[in-house]
Amino acid sequence: DAGVTQSPTHLIKTRGQQVTLRCSPKSGHDTVSWYQQALGQGPQFIFQYYEEEERQRGNFPDRFSGHQFPNYSSELNVNALLLGDSALYLCASSLLVAIRGYTFGSGTRLTVV
Amino acid sequence: GQQVMQIPQYQHVQEGEDFTTYCNSSTTLSNIQWYKQRPGGHPVFLIQLVKSGEVKKQKRLTFQFGEAKKNSSLHITATQTTDVGTYFCADQKTSYDKVIFGPGTSLSVIP
Repeated sequence: DAGVTQSPTHLIKTRGQQVTLRCSPKSGHDTVSWYQQALGQGPQFIFQYYEEEERQRGNFPDRFSGHQFPNYSSELNVNALLLGDSALYLCASSLLVAIRGYTFGSGTRLTVV
Repeated sequence: GQQVMQIPQYQHVQEGEDFTTYCNSSTTLSNIQWYKQRPGGHPVFLIQLVKSGEVKKQKRLTFQFGEAKKNSSLHITATQTTDVGTYFCADQKTSYDKVIFGPGTSLSVIP
């Protein structure tokens, strides 16, 4: 039973560029949430997708956008990258109707230079 | 907005000593979840507490939910080097809501 898979694992981008991160949820899960984790801090909620729609959004600018596909996989897009966007981006999957904790992927380490 | 606080921020213990981290909120917590993140790793779900005063154990780990549902704690008995990592508490109001994480407590175990 595959867990949550994220790609790529590491990425280096230049300020102003755009990036796309990908996530495949755990088998049987229908909801994908994205988190940003800066070094030494707790994960910060970016947004959540269910049935291909953004259900909830955290306090992140419109430069952060996402998508969910019919197979439940998801993408996180960040435009006009800033140095402050450097962080670990975590994808978490869950079942919308049940509280059983999130299953996280290993994350994508994004460095903006 | 809803905030979940944790203390201490860091804790260094000698192997074999006990460790406790506390999670607090000014508002009533709904469903407290605890996660562990190893250095260089990702958060891994440990347990969920739902009921007021609930106590759950996982081997050397004891999780407790306060009577007023405004605090929770994680206690590790006789720490081992495998316990190293950051422990996060998180709150989720309903299954339809996002999980809000605390800032975490980083545990170092000196062998």
